[in-house]
Amino acid sequence: DAGITQSPRHKVTETGTPVTLRCHQTENHRYMYWYRQDPGHGLRLIHYSYGVKDTDKGEVSDGYSVSRSKTEDFLLTLESATSSQTSVYFCAISVTGDQETQYFGPGTRLLVL
Amino acid sequence: AQKITQTQPGMFVQEKEAVTLDCTYDTSDQSYGLFWYKQPSSGEMIFLIYQGSYDEQNATEGRYSLNFQKARKSANLVISASQLGDSAMYFCAMRDRNTGRRALTFGSGTRLQVQP
Repeated sequence: DAGITQSPRHKVTETGTPVTLRCHQTENHRYMYWYRQDPGHGLRLIHYSYGVKDTDKGEVSDGYSVSRSKTEDFLLTLESATSSQTSVYFCAISVTGDQETQYFGPGTRLLVL
Repeated sequence: AQKITQTQPGMFVQEKEAVTLDCTYDTSDQSYGLFWYKQPSSGEMIFLIYQGSYDEQNATEGRYSLNFQKARKSANLVISASQLGDSAMYFCAMRDRNTGRRALTFGSGTRLQVQP
C-alpha cells in the first residue's frame, strides 16, 4: 500500500461544468501522475509532476490542467467537462530506487452527461 | 516514441495450468524498465513484476515470471499454476529511464479468465 487516495471515487457531472479530482499521498514521493483509462487504450498519461509547482504535459493533456501546491496533493481539473472525458482516472506515484515502480490510487470513475 | 503491444485481447486457461501473456515493445532507448500490472474486476491496478533492460536474469515473483527476450523486444508474463483469483486484466508497461518524467507507456491489456 503506497498510501494513495483519490477523491471523489465516483462523479457524475454535466457537459460544460468544471470538475476537480484530487490525489493525496502520505509518503512524500516527488513524482506524481494522472492517467486516464479507456476501453482498448490501456492507461494514457495526462499530466505529471516532479515536485511542488513543477508539472508537465503528457500525451492526452488537452482539456486538462493540474496543480501541485503541496508535496502530498496533486489536483486534476477539467475546466469545462466534455463527454469525451468520461473515463476512469488514476493517480500514481513513482517510488525512487532502482526499479522506480509506480503505484496507483484506487481510481475515480467520471461520467460526463 | 515508445510503444507496447499486447496482441491477445482475451485468454482462457484451466485452473492449475500455466499461461503466457504476450507483450512486445518498441523503443530506441538502451535503458528502460518493463512492468506488468494486474487489474481485477474491482478496478485497482496492482504491480506484479519488473524487469530492467540490463538485467541478465529473468525476473520472478512467486508464481509470476517474466520471459525477457531483449533481441526480440518481448517481455511475456508467465503465470504458473493458475488460480481462479488470477482472472483479471493484465497490462504490460514500459518506462523510459532516460527521460525526466519517468512515466509509463501501457499496452491495451489482456483479459485472462481462469476456468475451474
